[in-house]
Amino acid sequence: EAGVAQSPRYKIIEKRQSVAFWCNPISGHATLYWYQQILGQGPKLLIQFQNNGVVDDSQLPKDRFSAERLKGVDSTLKIQPAKLEDSAVYLCASSLVGLEQYFGPGTRLTVT
Amino acid sequence: AQKITQTQPGMFVQEKEAVTLDCTYDTSDPSYGLFWYKQPSSGEMIFLIYQGSYDQQNATEGRYSLNFQKARKSANLVISASQLGDSAMYFCAMRGDSGGSNYKLTFGKGTLLTVNP
Repeated sequence: EAGVAQSPRYKIIEKRQSVAFWCNPISGHATLYWYQQILGQGPKLLIQFQNNGVVDDSQLPKDRFSAERLKGVDSTLKIQPAKLEDSAVYLCASSLVGLEQYFGPGTRLTVT
Repeated sequence: AQKITQTQPGMFVQEKEAVTLDCTYDTSDPSYGLFWYKQPSSGEMIFLIYQGSYDQQNATEGRYSLNFQKARKSANLVISASQLGDSAMYFCAMRGDSGGSNYKLTFGKGTLLTVNP
């Protein structure tokens, strides 16, 4: 069974530029999550989707971050404009409803 | 609100020995789940083990076991017979299970385990 796929794996941008990350969850997983992991910390949830509806986006900085999950499968997370403090690993995870989450390899973002 | 505390920034263990990684938690949810994940240097989070707050027995998965002490609000991970490949960052996490569809995990800061040959 294929795992959670993410791309790109690495991205370097300058502050004020925009960037987008893509995630393809495990087939059949209705729930999809985006986490932000700053160096030296545990992951923090940015947004949770169930199918293509948003369940929790309370910690998503909505003035610069946006996410969508069209058709309830793939998802895209966008940052516009990026700030230095957005440098982090962005992890996508998916799960069957209510069960353990499986994570992708992450996208390491560096904002200079 | 939920909180996970991992007080050991780093741990060292000799190969083939057992090691315990500490985790304490705080929550107001009457029902919750506790998880441990492993994060190697490659960055991917690997699910290890799950314990439900109403489970009567401690969870075990191969060389991993979870020492769950509900009254003390602790959920320590025990790795038996450590292997060099166990060297990684380990995260304790929890999720409220009191209904609804919000399944977000709250993570601790992690413990870096180094297995010495």
